[in-house]
Amino acid sequence: DAMVIQNPRYQVTQFGKPVTLSCSQTLNHNVMYWYQQKSSQAPKLLFHYYDKDFNNEADTPDNFQSRRPNTSFCFLDIRSPGLGDAAMYLCATSRGIPSRGSYEQYFGPGTRLTVT
Amino acid sequence: GNSVTQMEGPVTLSEEAFLTINCTYTATGYPSLFWYVQYPGEGLQLLLKATKADDKGSNKGFEATYRKETTSFHLEKGSVQVSDSAVYFCALDTGRRALTFGSGTRLQVQP
Repeated sequence: DAMVIQNPRYQVTQFGKPVTLSCSQTLNHNVMYWYQQKSSQAPKLLFHYYDKDFNNEADTPDNFQSRRPNTSFCFLDIRSPGLGDAAMYLCATSRGIPSRGSYEQYFGPGTRLTVT
Repeated sequence: GNSVTQMEGPVTLSEEAFLTINCTYTATGYPSLFWYVQYPGEGLQLLLKATKADDKGSNKGFEATYRKETTSFHLEKGSVQVSDSAVYFCALDTGRRALTFGSGTRLQVQP
């Protein structure tokens, strides 16, 4: 089945120690997104790639970076995690071509990050 | 700017009760509207969508109608089950390739 895969599902890192989360997709979608979701809150968009074109949200901290080496893979790098970065990180994809006016997004299961 | 407002939860219902979760929006242009569901410990799944006024989205017994005159997209289900317990997010897309989410409504269904 075509899908969005995130690894690992659970990640524990130490305060200040760089960490990388990964996302892959078999949907061949042009657009890949990274969201941060804290407990009992809505997902917050960090950035997205349209093909190789990187789009950063204005309020995304510099501590968060992303790489997309090819269509299938996208990485989220947190350079110096703080306690406030503990959250669920969700990857999503979309075709990048509106289907009847919408960019329907497909989400992965998420990676829950704990910072100790 | 764009925004989505959902009713606060948790919403607690008995099995087979009727469900309504209210969602209203503010947006420029003509957004597409979505309901996503998130089960504990999982990512978001698209539940249903509507892309223009008066469209009705439906899936798994859930329905929502795009009401432009009231800027609403309320989620309804005639008879909820324990397995429907989850967090429900209303969202909109104005063609920026980015979704604006509501704050989510937790539904708890008791046997």
